[in-house]
Formats: sequence, structure tokens, C-alpha cells
Amino acid sequence: ETGVTQTPRHLVMGMTNKKSLKCEQHLGHNAMYWYKQSAKKPLELMFVYNFKEQTENNSVPSRFSPECPNSSHLFLHLHTLQPEDSALYLCASSPGPGLAGGPGSYNEQFFGPGTRLTVL
Amino acid sequence: LAKTTQPISMDSYEGQEVNITCSHNNIATNDYITWYQQFPSQGPRFIIQGYKTKVTNEVASLFIPADRKSSTLSLPRVSLSDTAVYYCLVVPGDTGGFKTIFGAGTRLFVKA
Repeated sequence: ETGVTQTPRHLVMGMTNKKSLKCEQHLGHNAMYWYKQSAKKPLELMFVYNFKEQTENNSVPSRFSPECPNSSHLFLHLHTLQPEDSALYLCASSPGPGLAGGPGSYNEQFFGPGTRLTVL
Repeated sequence: LAKTTQPISMDSYEGQEVNITCSHNNIATNDYITWYQQFPSQGPRFIIQGYKTKVTNEVASLFIPADRKSSTLSLPRVSLSDTAVYYCLVVPGDTGGFKTIFGAGTRLFVKA
């Protein structure tokens, strides 16, 4: 248990469906992240939120829409996805500046178990 | 962000010490060196982080030379359960931003 939970753990959806992935962290962190990991590829950073404000959008297609209502929750809304979007979607959180452990540890990331997404 | 280079894969046997070296020639003064471990179908897990010299925790040691252009993750007496992908990252220090880039990592396979 890392203190970061993700639901659902598995999701199968058609290209015309709308679904949402949920992430929750119980660590009191200020920053939250979405990553995509396709088969045999490195993790790709998608979005970063710090204090609910988006600080990174790594040129992600608009069919992925993030939402961060507070520092503990992060959503990824999915709409009209493509089969190539099938991947493991990972959420992470980190303390943020000024918290725990000094300047080097502020972006030590704690990952959730991921959602395995299959787009048919 | 500084780019990192590490071996794609390594093999070892149980009980051996494993050293994985990472190159980061363009590391900035404010950057920290961080290592993560990832098992299949799981999220990465933080192992160790350092700025210079040597850092040791209950899992591993991290050796960083004075010029900081490389680092070596040392895993003492590996077991089968240490089979995983190990990622070396260079991350900005406080206020340096949250963007982190995971490379391909080093796939360590520990054999009996």
C-alpha cells in the first residue's frame, strides 16, 4: 500500500464510450500526476497538478480530460478513445515544495496500482 | 531536464551484488538523482535519492562521483524478488518544477 488508490483497476470500453478514472491519495501531498504506460514503452507523463492547478500538459490529446477538484483527488475523463490508447494508466502524488524531507524529496512520487485500460 | 542513459538489461544470480550505472552528463546544479523500481503491472516505487557522494538506505546504496555526471545504484545480495525494471531519473530540486521523465530503465533479471 502506497497511500494512493486508483479505481477501477481494470476497464474495457468501446471507442464511443465515456468513462472516468479516479485517483485518491491519503498522504497529504500537494502534487498529483497522470502517467500512461503502453506495452514495452517507458512511462509517459501526461498531466501534473500542484495545489489543484495544472502545471504540466505533455501534449496530450483532448480525448483525455483531467480534473483535480482538490489536492487529494484526481480524475481522468476518457471520451472517444482509440485502440492505441489501451495501456496502464498510473496516478502518482508527491509532497511538493516545502514539505517532508528537504528540497530533494519534494517530488518523490508515490504511485497507485494503476488502471489497465483496454479500448475495443 | 537532463537525459539519462542506463543499460537496457542485466542478469544476475541470487546472492550477488548488482551495480547499475546511469549517465547524466547534463545534470544541473539543482538536480537530484532518483531511482525507482517497477514490477510488472504495478506502479514504480521510489528506492533512493541523492545529490552527491554516497547515500544508503535499507534497500540500496547510491554512489555519486564528485562531477555528478553519473551514478551507480548498488543492490546488495539480490534475490529472485528483485527482478524488476530500475529507472534512473534526474529531477529538479525544490521549486524546479514537477516534470519527470522516465526512460526505458534497466531490466534486471535475477536467476536462481
